Amino acid sequence: GAGVSQSPSNKVTEKGKDVELRCDPISGHTALYWYRQSLGQGLEFLIYFQGNSAPDKSGLPSDRFSAERTGGSVSTLTIQRTQQEDSAVYLCASSLSGGALYEQYFGPGTRLTVT
Amino acid sequence: GQQVMQIPQYQHVQEGEDFTTYCNSSTTLSNIQWYKQRPGGHPVFLIQLVKSGEVKKQKRLTFQFGEAKKNSSLHITATQTTDVGTYFCAGGAGSYQLTFGKGTKLSVIP
Repeated sequence: GAGVSQSPSNKVTEKGKDVELRCDPISGHTALYWYRQSLGQGLEFLIYFQGNSAPDKSGLPSDRFSAERTGGSVSTLTIQRTQQEDSAVYLCASSLSGGALYEQYFGPGTRLTVT
Repeated sequence: GQQVMQIPQYQHVQEGEDFTTYCNSSTTLSNIQWYKQRPGGHPVFLIQLVKSGEVKKQKRLTFQFGEAKKNSSLHITATQTTDVGTYFCAGGAGSYQLTFGKGTKLSVIP
């Protein structure tokens, strides 16, 4: 079946502009995660959704970052007033249910470049 | 908060040599997962360990979970060029969240 998809695959934006990144999880997966990966670095946890609710938003780097999930499916990560330090690959992952015991399926990521 | 340390950060090996990456947690883990990320790709799940002292094998890959459930290792026997990539461990502590290590980037010299 279809895996996790993300769009756009690449996004170049000017400093100060807003961007929206989209994630389509695997059908039936109730848990959805956003991570950020800077060049050659590990995975930085941003936010977790169980259904449409986000129990933990503590990973969001600043109040310029927000995310929502609708219909227990698609999620959007919005970055307002982008800064150069926001440049990274943003990865979305989904799992069958919330909980550390479930394997996560990652999407191909969105490479964001802020000029 | 929970921290997962992974060493080494980089490893260069000659094809055919063995490779090991180690993962250490500051707290007792409920489980540990391993992922592989090929260059330019996204992380892909390899395996999960949940029991103290557990050892699992996948062909040339051997995964271990420590007796105290605070450390884990991934050992690759006789590396091949197809093993190139970054290997991440991710520890769970009973909550929803996996804490990822920073990964070990493996280069294999043909």
